[in-house]
Amino acid sequence: AQSVTQPDIHITVSEGASLELRCNYSYGATPYLFWYVQSPGQGLQLLLKYFSGDTLVQGIKGFEAEFKRSQSSFNLRKPSVHWSDAAEYFCAVGAQDTGNQFYFGTGTSLTVIP
Amino acid sequence: NAGVTQTPKFQVLKTGQSMTLQCAQDMNHEYMSWYRQDPGMGLRLIHYSVGAGITDQGEVPNGYNVSRSTTEDFPLRLLSAAPSQTSVYFCASSGQGALQNIQYFGAGTRLSVL
Repeated sequence: AQSVTQPDIHITVSEGASLELRCNYSYGATPYLFWYVQSPGQGLQLLLKYFSGDTLVQGIKGFEAEFKRSQSSFNLRKPSVHWSDAAEYFCAVGAQDTGNQFYFGTGTSLTVIP
Repeated sequence: NAGVTQTPKFQVLKTGQSMTLQCAQDMNHEYMSWYRQDPGMGLRLIHYSVGAGITDQGEVPNGYNVSRSTTEDFPLRLLSAAPSQTSVYFCASSGQGALQNIQYFGAGTRLSVL
């Protein structure tokens, strides 16, 4: 069965520091991987996606993620965090043969301190 | 662009009442889904539709009904609300082909059942 694990429930970083949010997935075939961000009281916004090809993908707002098949991971990174990055981050996995059945992780809440 | 529109944004129900959460998209997307978001649980799929006239159950379908009479609309019905259905509900849509697995989310409906 497909599943997504985000091991970190909550992370606190200082503004300007680097950030890495972890995501591990379990899926039998080649997965489609996504990172979404949710600001308080808002819907989800797509940050970036991986379908195939280059395993390092660039997204919006200066985020990037690297797909590592051997580790079943798709970690999200940002070199320098801004206060406006404080939000909830969700990793998700889907596949072409599952239609739009996506599986979401439980989310990582990011706090940014000045 | 309107994208995915959900109404209402907030709703309070009494146990046993019924209501319909509305979802409409103007992107001509074939795929539409309903999720619920609960603290520490991430997003869980309730029902989804791969096109007009076709619906299927997701991970947590009990207590919810859906229909898809048009491409644009995908309402979610609670026939007899229960406190366990207190949650934030998100509707999402996605398109065909390479875009099939990129989901666009509405802003959510916050439902409280007393």
